[in-house]
Amino acid sequence: DAGVIQSPRHEVTEMGQEVTLRCKPISGHDYLFWYRQTMMRGLELLIYFNNNVPIDDSGMPEDRFSAKMPNASFSTLKIQPSEPRDSAVYFCASRAGTGWYEQYFGPGTRLTVT
Amino acid sequence: DAKTTQPNSMESNEEEPVHLPCNHSTISGTDYIHWYRQLPSQGPEYVIHGLTSNVNNRMASLAIAEDRKSSTLILHRATLRDAAVYYCILRDVDFGNEKLTFGTGTRLTIIP
Repeated sequence: DAGVIQSPRHEVTEMGQEVTLRCKPISGHDYLFWYRQTMMRGLELLIYFNNNVPIDDSGMPEDRFSAKMPNASFSTLKIQPSEPRDSAVYFCASRAGTGWYEQYFGPGTRLTVT
Repeated sequence: DAKTTQPNSMESNEEEPVHLPCNHSTISGTDYIHWYRQLPSQGPEYVIHGLTSNVNNRMASLAIAEDRKSSTLILHRATLRDAAVYYCILRDVDFGNEKLTFGTGTRLTIIP
């Protein structure tokens, strides 16, 4: 099992550019979560999907952020336009089902917006 | 969501047991207690979870107070690889709460 795969691992971009982060969840997992981690705010949930459908996007900071899950094996988090305050580590996680099941996190994408 | 309170940091000597406390005085009857840890430069990883009874797995033990208002994560023999931030999280599974709300956690330092 390869675990949750995220790409790229590091992204450096200039303010105003579009950024797309990618995630491949563990095969067979029904839930997919996107988190953001900064020193100031810690680890925050941005949005989560169940069976490819967005369930709760209340953590998405603003309209510049969007997430999609076109199929069970792929999700994207897009920031357009990016701003320096978006600099953070973005984690994707997946989970097998409802109930107590544990979340498996990917290695994260470190985004730096200059 | 019911909140948890953890010490900001703890230190322990290598090869000794470590007891990481968590207070959750407003826990509800259907809240599960989850522990995750985050090693340096990695995503969080699941450690253990429980509802009422004490739990053991290959990584750790979870001791839950009888009134469930506090719990303790026990690492039986700490190694340098256990240095991480440990998060205690409550999740009301029965009411469809799929979120994990991470607090600030406890940063555990292992002294060689």
